[in-house]
Amino acid sequence: DTAVSQTPKYLVTQMGNDKSIKCEQNLGHDTMYWYKQDSKKFLKIMFSYNNKELIINETVPNRFSPKSPDKAHLNLHINSLELGDSAVYFCASSQGTSGGETQYFGPGTRLLVL
Amino acid sequence: SQELEQSPQSLIVQEGKNLTINCTSSKTLYGLYWYKQKYGEGLIFLMMLQKGGEEKSHEKITAKLDEKKQQSSLHITASQPSHAGIYLCGAPPRDNAGNMLTFGGGTRLMVKP
Repeated sequence: DTAVSQTPKYLVTQMGNDKSIKCEQNLGHDTMYWYKQDSKKFLKIMFSYNNKELIINETVPNRFSPKSPDKAHLNLHINSLELGDSAVYFCASSQGTSGGETQYFGPGTRLLVL
Repeated sequence: SQELEQSPQSLIVQEGKNLTINCTSSKTLYGLYWYKQKYGEGLIFLMMLQKGGEEKSHEKITAKLDEKKQQSSLHITASQPSHAGIYLCGAPPRDNAGNMLTFGGGTRLMVKP
């Protein structure tokens, strides 16, 4: 029944490691997103992706890369993890990218880099 | 770039009291979303506003977008402990590029029984 799901829910890892977070949506949506919420609960967009284009927030380091094996999945790969990457990462999806398209969020993945 | 400022940053109210949360944009809004987040959970969609002067209600929560489309308010009537959480407003960019929402800093609401 879960509309947007993420795995894992928690991720603890060492600095320098490479990790992936998975996201799946069963809503039949065309567009998926990744957001980062920092320790102050400030939520920022990282990527917007549909089967036509990837739009990257210019502030996102190139160590972060989204990969979409199919329309229902958008995984987030992070290379060479840094302490500052510790945050909660949310996946979201919407039907399209036109105005008024509501985004539905997953439960979040809490990443802690030691 | 567009910035959204929410006020207050935090709020503690007694159960049964009414409250209002504001979201002010540095630029004209081309849509405004309200979400609620509980600790350890994702964002729950509440409402979306697009037209100046628009008002929507769901149960005891009412959201309005002002005529100039630069400010939105979220009003909760007769608050309950279940209303506690972080309320976030989000807005798409003018050119709607990728529908990438910009969010405000959030308002943390606590309702005392």
